[in-house]
Amino acid sequence: RKEVEQDPGPFNVPEGATVAFNCTYSNSASQSFFWYRQDCRKEPKLLMSVYSSGNEDGRFTAQLNRASQYISLLIRDSKLSDSATYLCVVTPRGNQFYFGTGTSLTVIP
Amino acid sequence: GAGVSQSPSNKVTEKGKDVELRCDPISGHTALYWYRQSLGQGLEFLIYFQGNSAPDKSGLPSDRFSAERTGGSVSTLTIQRTQQEDSAVYLCASSLDRSPNYGYTFGSGTRLTVV
Repeated sequence: RKEVEQDPGPFNVPEGATVAFNCTYSNSASQSFFWYRQDCRKEPKLLMSVYSSGNEDGRFTAQLNRASQYISLLIRDSKLSDSATYLCVVTPRGNQFYFGTGTSLTVIP
Repeated sequence: GAGVSQSPSNKVTEKGKDVELRCDPISGHTALYWYRQSLGQGLEFLIYFQGNSAPDKSGLPSDRFSAERTGGSVSTLTIQRTQQEDSAVYLCASSLDRSPNYGYTFGSGTRLTVV
């Protein structure tokens, strides 16, 4: 079983829509969680960390559900510039980050 | 430096040749990682360096792959006798320390094409 699994999508949503992605992880001892964004032919960039209590950054909300072993990313009021691949990252051990294969989002005018 | 710097940005090589990819991490970052990403695929962990500790080489796909990090800073990933399946983007990342709480910063990658 993979350490991290994501629905690859694609998700095609209209501007202004709310969209949510989930990511499941297999190791219940995982310590830290992140969402990265990767634009086409670019390197991944850290979008936000995911805290146990949940956290929000503008239109983006990240949540962690330890009982069900998943993390989520909610994007409100989608913008065209949100179009990208969103990667979830989990650290089952302290020194290695496991990346999901990414969820593709296209925001349509 | 201001960010993670990788060179070359693009490399085309003939099958069977050796290549060296370079990564210059953010100044002061003690942890350095190499990943590769094939077209349309996720990131595949290759190797991890942390300070003076022995590197975690568990992700290296074969003995044709090796990496070193000199002086706790610059790292070189070497691929010997390249094969077409080695074609991918090789990404380097660094982080402040081994604590997982910070996430890490990627370089822009080296796009390797083996022909």
